[in-house]
Amino acid sequence: ETGVTQSPTHLIKTRGQQVTLRCSSQSGHNTVSWYQQALGQGPQFIFQYYREEENGRGNFPPRFSGLQFPNYSSELNVNALELDDSALYLCASSFSNPAGGYTFGSGTRLTVV
Amino acid sequence: QKEVEQNSGPLSVPEGAIASLNCTYSDRGSQSFFWYRQYSGKSPELIMFIYSNGDKEDGRFTAQLNKASQYVSLLIRDSQPSDSATYLCAVTAYSGGSYIPTFGRGTSLIVHP
Repeated sequence: ETGVTQSPTHLIKTRGQQVTLRCSSQSGHNTVSWYQQALGQGPQFIFQYYREEENGRGNFPPRFSGLQFPNYSSELNVNALELDDSALYLCASSFSNPAGGYTFGSGTRLTVV
Repeated sequence: QKEVEQNSGPLSVPEGAIASLNCTYSDRGSQSFFWYRQYSGKSPELIMFIYSNGDKEDGRFTAQLNKASQYVSLLIRDSQPSDSATYLCAVTAYSGGSYIPTFGRGTSLIVHP
């Protein structure tokens, strides 16, 4: 059984650029959710994908967008990067009913300069 | 706005003591409750989940849920220095056809020898 993998692990981008982060879900899980975690804060829910469609979204602007593929892997895209987008981006996979919890990947550390 | 509140700490306890971590949530429709442990620079890992009122024990960990008071807690018995980490409380609620997670900001626990 494979866990959740994210790539890249670290990334430095310039303000105004665009970035794509990738996530492979744990075997058997069909739902992927993305989180932004600033230093000293808890993970903030960005959005969630199930069956290739967004089925939940947190309080993030439209420049945060995503995709889920038939193999349940997912991408997070952020356009027009701002300095405040610097954070740890976490991907988690689960079943559609996450009663058993979410399994997190190791995260992507994004720095916007 | 669904909220999950935790005291940021740090909570400092001596080795061998019981650490008590608390969490309150605002959405009465919340259905599943989770405790995650996050070491510095790492991703969250699931410790326990609970969805019925009462206590649930797993080794040195006990989760307690009181839905009437909208309160969930985690007790760590025989605390060890390796338990030093940030503990995140997470809650899911069913909304618009999907389960949406909300995380607290976490409580920092320090177990000193």
